[in-house]
Amino acid sequence: DGGITQSPKYLFRKEGQNVTLSCEQNLNHDAMYWYRQDPGQGLRLIYYSQIVNDFQKGDIAEGYSVSREKKESFPLTVTSAQKNPTAFYLCASSPGQGEETQYFGPGTRLLVL
Amino acid sequence: GDSVTQMEGPVTLSEEAFLTINCTYTATGYPSLFWYVQYPGEGLQLLLKATKADDKGSNKGFEATYRKETTSFHLEKGSVQVSDSAVYFCAPRPHNAGGTSYGKLTFGQGTILTVHP
Repeated sequence: DGGITQSPKYLFRKEGQNVTLSCEQNLNHDAMYWYRQDPGQGLRLIYYSQIVNDFQKGDIAEGYSVSREKKESFPLTVTSAQKNPTAFYLCASSPGQGEETQYFGPGTRLLVL
Repeated sequence: GDSVTQMEGPVTLSEEAFLTINCTYTATGYPSLFWYVQYPGEGLQLLLKATKADDKGSNKGFEATYRKETTSFHLEKGSVQVSDSAVYFCAPRPHNAGGTSYGKLTFGQGTILTVHP
């Protein structure tokens, strides 16, 4: 089955620690995205990538970093500079090249110990 | 910048009631418009979309019409079911000056729908 997988489902971070959230897709999509979801708020874009080896900051990139070394993978690192990391993180992908629909993974919930 | 305003929730309905969730947007040009649904503890799923004025998107009994004159994309369903309980997100996606979509969605804050038997 084609789709987007995110792991782990739950992740715990200690103070001062960097953690990396995994996102993999086997849909052969060019574009990938990371969103943050907080209670009572919509999704906010952290980073996006329209092609391998290229990515752009979204609306709330501070304290986060990404890489796009492979088409199918777009990991997100939450650094110690992100002072309020507790949230639900959603990864998405879209075919690109004019096809707009984004397909979402199941999400990772990050909690701070 | 682009923005979207959704009807505030939560919305609580009885089974078989009529549903409307309002959505209005501001955007440069003529964006594509999407409704996504999020079931508890899951990621988002595309519910329906419309890419140009007067288009009607429909899926699973839900409908929304792209109204350029009122910049709206209200979601409706004639008879809701308990299984429709979820959070619904309206999301316009802008196009650049050349008419090419460049990927970014702007999400509303979401509307929580609860349907009781």
